[in-house]
Amino acid sequence: EAEVAQSPRYKITEKSQAVAFWCDPISGHATLYWYRQILGQGPELLVQFQDESVVDDSQLPKDRFSAERLKGVDSTLKIQPAELGDSAMYLCASSLAMQGSYEQYFGPGTRLTVT
Amino acid sequence: LAKTTQPISMDSYEGQEVNITCSHNNIATNDYITWYQQFPSQGPRFIIQGYKTKVTNEVASLFIPADRKSSTLSLPRVSLSDTAVYYCLVGDTGNQFYFGTGTSLTVIP
Repeated sequence: EAEVAQSPRYKITEKSQAVAFWCDPISGHATLYWYRQILGQGPELLVQFQDESVVDDSQLPKDRFSAERLKGVDSTLKIQPAELGDSAMYLCASSLAMQGSYEQYFGPGTRLTVT
Repeated sequence: LAKTTQPISMDSYEGQEVNITCSHNNIATNDYITWYQQFPSQGPRFIIQGYKTKVTNEVASLFIPADRKSSTLSLPRVSLSDTAVYYCLVGDTGNQFYFGTGTSLTVIP
């Protein structure tokens, strides 16, 4: 069964450093999502791509976060500089996003710890 | 943005049927209702999706009344491995999907 790949699985970084996460969605999935999940809370959407275009980044802290999906396939989420409050699980998901089918397939996530 | 309201937590004994209700008073005409399950340190996993009436698959049933302002996820004969957080989402391709805090289900032996 096809899966969403994410790397790294775990990342420890010091505050003020730069950090990047990578996601490879399921082949053929045009829609890609990045979520942040703080312990004890539900996932919060950071950015949504349709192919290479950003559809929604209203919740992305643009002063320090950036996301790209240059060729409409894999994607990178970057934080620079990292802050203590950025410690969380970062989840990537993809979907076909066809009318009537909104199932999102999630990757295993990247657990970020900022010290 | 269609938000949802769910109970924070529920307990159930093994073998019982569990019903988790979700309120979504502001659901739009084009919105679908989707439920996800999440285990600790894993990404959410799709359980079931519906638009109206009843949908059933191999793991759950979803009941949606005519006004669509709520929905109920039904898990038949739960086991210990069903202990997880369950999220109800409402939306379509044009809307942000809001996970909320979900319902933490604990299955007791």
